[in-house]
Amino acid sequence: RKEVEQDPGPFNVPEGATVAFNCTYSNSASQSFFWYRQDCRKEPKLLMSVYSSGNEDGRFTAQLNRASQYISLLIRDSKLSDSATYLCVVKLTTSGTYKYIFGTGTRLKVLA
Amino acid sequence: EPEVTQTPSHQVTQMGQEVILRCVPISNHLYFYWYRQILGQKVEFLVSFYNNEISEKSEIFDDQFSVERPDGSNFTLKIRSTKLEDSAMYFCASNPGYANTGELFFGEGSRLTVL
Repeated sequence: RKEVEQDPGPFNVPEGATVAFNCTYSNSASQSFFWYRQDCRKEPKLLMSVYSSGNEDGRFTAQLNRASQYISLLIRDSKLSDSATYLCVVKLTTSGTYKYIFGTGTRLKVLA
Repeated sequence: EPEVTQTPSHQVTQMGQEVILRCVPISNHLYFYWYRQILGQKVEFLVSFYNNEISEKSEIFDDQFSVERPDGSNFTLKIRSTKLEDSAMYFCASNPGYANTGELFFGEGSRLTVL
């Protein structure tokens, strides 16, 4: 089983749609969880951290289910500018350092 | 806002040549990383560095790769004898190492093209 697994997409959605991405992780010792956004040929940028209680930032909502080892990202009222690849990232402590494991990313294309 | 800076932004080299990619992490950060991303593929972990030594490395990070932090600010990745398959975007990242969101801060990347 992959350490961090995401549906690669692409998800093609019309402007204004709601879209949800899922991510599963295999290591139950994972401590922190993030969604990063990556535009084509650019560096990943933090979109939001994911907290156990779930958290919302404007049109974006992230959920974490530790029992199922599952993370989700919901984007409401999609904008053209949301088109990007969304990376699920899991952090754990190993060998006295922090290790960040990336999923393959889910590509989103918002259509006019 | 402090940022991670990387040079060069793009390097073209011949197979077998040595390449050094440079990074200046955010100044008060303690953990440093190199990742690579082959075009169209996932972000892959290469190596992490803490307290002036490698803390973890992946299978990709073989004897052809090395890292060092020679002067307390620069963090370099050296590829001794480049192969065609080393063509990728190389991202440097850093983390403060104290209690916070725990996010990784990335540089803009160095694109390596091996001919």
